[in-house]
Amino acid sequence: DQQVKQNSPSLSVQEGRISILNCDYTNSMFDYFLWYKKYPAEGPTFLISISSIKDKNEDGRFTVFLNKSAKHLSLHIVPSQPGDSAVYFCAAMRGGYQKVTFGIGTKLQVIP
Amino acid sequence: EAQVTQNPRYLITVTGKKLTVTCSQNMNHEYMSWYRQDPGLGLRQIYYSMNVEVTDKGDVPEGYKVSRKEKRNFPLILESPSPNQTSLYFCASKLGGGADTQYFGPGTRLTVL
Repeated sequence: DQQVKQNSPSLSVQEGRISILNCDYTNSMFDYFLWYKKYPAEGPTFLISISSIKDKNEDGRFTVFLNKSAKHLSLHIVPSQPGDSAVYFCAAMRGGYQKVTFGIGTKLQVIP
Repeated sequence: EAQVTQNPRYLITVTGKKLTVTCSQNMNHEYMSWYRQDPGLGLRQIYYSMNVEVTDKGDVPEGYKVSRKEKRNFPLILESPSPNQTSLYFCASKLGGGADTQYFGPGTRLTVL
């Protein structure tokens, strides 16, 4: 049973436009959410996170939105750049922050 | 440079031949973890460790062992590897038990024939 779902395996966006990556979760006990970016042949790197007490967190071109009632979060990248082309993983943690549950990832391609 | 290192980066082995993948971090992190990445399944947590001599199972611990004798090292042991353990493995660490950022190693691609 996948508790963190990324239903879009891939996404293509023109350079300069907005990229929106979506993530749904089923476990209401999750209270901290993260996005990681992964380039080929490298380990994932942390991008941005959000606590369940917030509904938005922004860091430069990256904004994460959390809708707790819908158990949905999204990552917005504005403007998208070719260097943003990577696989993006959504992840969730609950109290204790020891176990981390990841989604299957969304491959983003930003077309120059 | 703060980093998580894994060795080897690539390994091809045969069924039943014991192997160890090493993981080391130089950030004095208390928490370390192992993941495997498989197509269509994303990253799944195998084991994690909150500190020296403290380890616990993640979501897919079967067929794996870990040890944490020193703070900086967290080796993953496959006592009798099987083909279904062919995967891309990542080690990660974070400062403590809170909602800290995890830092990942570069990955180890394991093939079990």
